[in-house]
Amino acid sequence: DTGVSQNPRHKITKRGQNVTFRCDPISEHNRLYWYRQTLGQGPEFLTYFQNEAQLEKSRLLSDRFSAERPKGSFSTLEIQRTEQGDSAMYLCASSEWGQARDEAFFGQGTRLTVV
Amino acid sequence: GESVGLHLPTLSVQEGDNSIINCAYSNSASDYFIWYKQESGKGPQFIIDIRSNMDKRQGQRVTVLLNKTVKHLSLQIAATQPGDSAVYFCAEGGGYSTLTFGKGTMLLVSP
Repeated sequence: DTGVSQNPRHKITKRGQNVTFRCDPISEHNRLYWYRQTLGQGPEFLTYFQNEAQLEKSRLLSDRFSAERPKGSFSTLEIQRTEQGDSAMYLCASSEWGQARDEAFFGQGTRLTVV
Repeated sequence: GESVGLHLPTLSVQEGDNSIINCAYSNSASDYFIWYKQESGKGPQFIIDIRSNMDKRQGQRVTVLLNKTVKHLSLQIAATQPGDSAVYFCAEGGGYSTLTFGKGTMLLVSP
């Protein structure tokens, strides 16, 4: 499978715990994006990387959130001291920016439930 | 016809009909637009894209129309099938900006 892969698919955690999600993009893609989606809403941008550099962070990304892409390949998104409001689907996407078509391809997402 | 549900506008059509889903975008500087299809429990799936130097683009059974004057985007699906039932999102972006998604429209196709 050469699509975007996200792990885990589901995560249930207690409030106050830390969680980490992983995204493996399409291998030749230089951009990687993190989005959050709540029920009935469109995906909301969180942050993106161009290779290993984190170029933009949304104001939605509080200090409890951190993302890394250390070698310009896979990325992790960590949420510290989770709150119930963090419950959402976390989507990762990748694209080959700079080409004629730079559409973002999405993974299946990680559904986080904070209890 | 169209109706507003609890969370999303909903378009209900019969199998075989043509569907038109509309989207108003917000940033006049956006030069790239994409339609995504999202089925329950899955990530958004790319359908078709269009750049701002075009006003129409056709794919297989789908056509995207762009009206920059009124910042309006539409997705036309020909001969709608039950498998087309999903939530459809438009997204705008381009250049150094990232994709911004609209709120979505739920398409329900009855056999």
